[in-house]
Parts: sequence; C-alpha cells; structure tokens
Amino acid sequence: QSALTQPASVSGSPGQSITISCTGSLSDVGGYRFVSWYQHHPGKVPKLMIYDVTNRPSGISNRFSGSKSGNTASLTISGLQAEDEADYYCSSYSSGSTLVVFGGGTKLTVL
Amino acid sequence: EVQIVESGGGLVQPGGSLRLSCVASGFTFRSHWMSWVRQAPGKGLEWVANINQDDSEKYYVDSVKGRFTISRDNAKNSLYLQMDSLRVEDTAVYHCARELDGRIYDYWGQGVLVTVSS
Repeated sequence: QSALTQPASVSGSPGQSITISCTGSLSDVGGYRFVSWYQHHPGKVPKLMIYDVTNRPSGISNRFSGSKSGNTASLTISGLQAEDEADYYCSSYSSGSTLVVFGGGTKLTVL
Repeated sequence: EVQIVESGGGLVQPGGSLRLSCVASGFTFRSHWMSWVRQAPGKGLEWVANINQDDSEKYYVDSVKGRFTISRDNAKNSLYLQMDSLRVEDTAVYHCARELDGRIYDYWGQGVLVTVSS
C-alpha cells in the first residue's frame, strides 16, 4: 500500500478540466510544500510535471497546475487533450524513514 | 539532451543477486544526487535508494537496507545498484533518476525489469 492516496482512475472529455487528489499526512504532504507530480505513459520515461506544489518545469504546459490544502495536494489539468491520457503519480518529501513517498498512481482516461 | 539508460535487469531466483547499471549523459553527472525508483507490477512508484555527488552519503528504503548497495562512478557517468538476497517482492521495473533538492526527480530513465522468481 502506497504512503500517499490517489484515486485509481479519473476521466474527462477533451477540453474539460479534471483534478487528481493526493492525500497524505502531516509527516509528508501536510508538513511541507514539497509535493511533485509525474506523468507516465507506460513503457515511456516518467516526466516531471509539477514540483514544490505549484511550480512547472520549463516546457510544461500551463494547462497543468498544482495546489495543496492541508494534507491533500491536487493536480488540475485544464483543456484536456488526448495526449494527456497517462498515469499520474504524486510524491512528497517525508520526515519518516523513507525520504520521498509516492502515491499509488491515477490512470487518466480522455474519453 | 539529457539521457539516462539503465541495464542489467533480468530473471533471478530468490536469494540471488543482480547488478543494475545506469549511464547518464547531457548533464554534469558528478554534480547531482542520483536515485533508484522502482515500480512493482500493478503498483505505484517507490523510492529505493539515493547517493550524493561524491559517494559519501547513501540512503535506502527500509525494505532493502542491508541487501542493496547504491554506488556511482563519476568518471563513467554511471550509477549502480547491487541487489543481493533478492526476494519475490523485489520484482519491479527499476528506474534511475536525477534528483534535485532531495525530493524532485527531474530526469528519468525508461527503466529495467527485474523479475525474482523460482
């Protein structure tokens, strides 16, 4: 069982917006602004989409945005496109023995 | 362009050993922490181990402590993971990743499959 909890799947139609949640605890998500989000097309290289809750690396579309409230972080994708269909993982720095913890992943389906 | 390529995976029996390698290019390897992150079949990602720039600091997830050893060769732009006493639950795709600030993995390799089975 993963340290961070994500919904197993979400779906949306092209052009719509979706939000993926990532729930942890005060030891990780709630205690630090060190949440990242990764996009993973199976068989391909995972890609950093958001870091430190809200920051986008260079080259990442502004359709992707992040936020956090309490122990839950969220990734919002606006203007859904077919190529957004992938698995998304959150991660957080942790004060526990595991330095970085991940969520179990959310499969995004673009209908 | 940053490239990270892993190798060394395969099928091994429980209790056996395997050594994974990762070669990086497109950035100054010796200036960065590096990590191994794995994904078991049907499961999420799991950080496994990391190492600092000069090999003087290493950290491991509890489940692999005493069994896995991370190392690097900056002259060869290479990262390694020596895996001993392998267990069925170590079966996973292992990714090599560049680490920033102890919490961000900005470049990843495609991963290499390790299967532990009798």
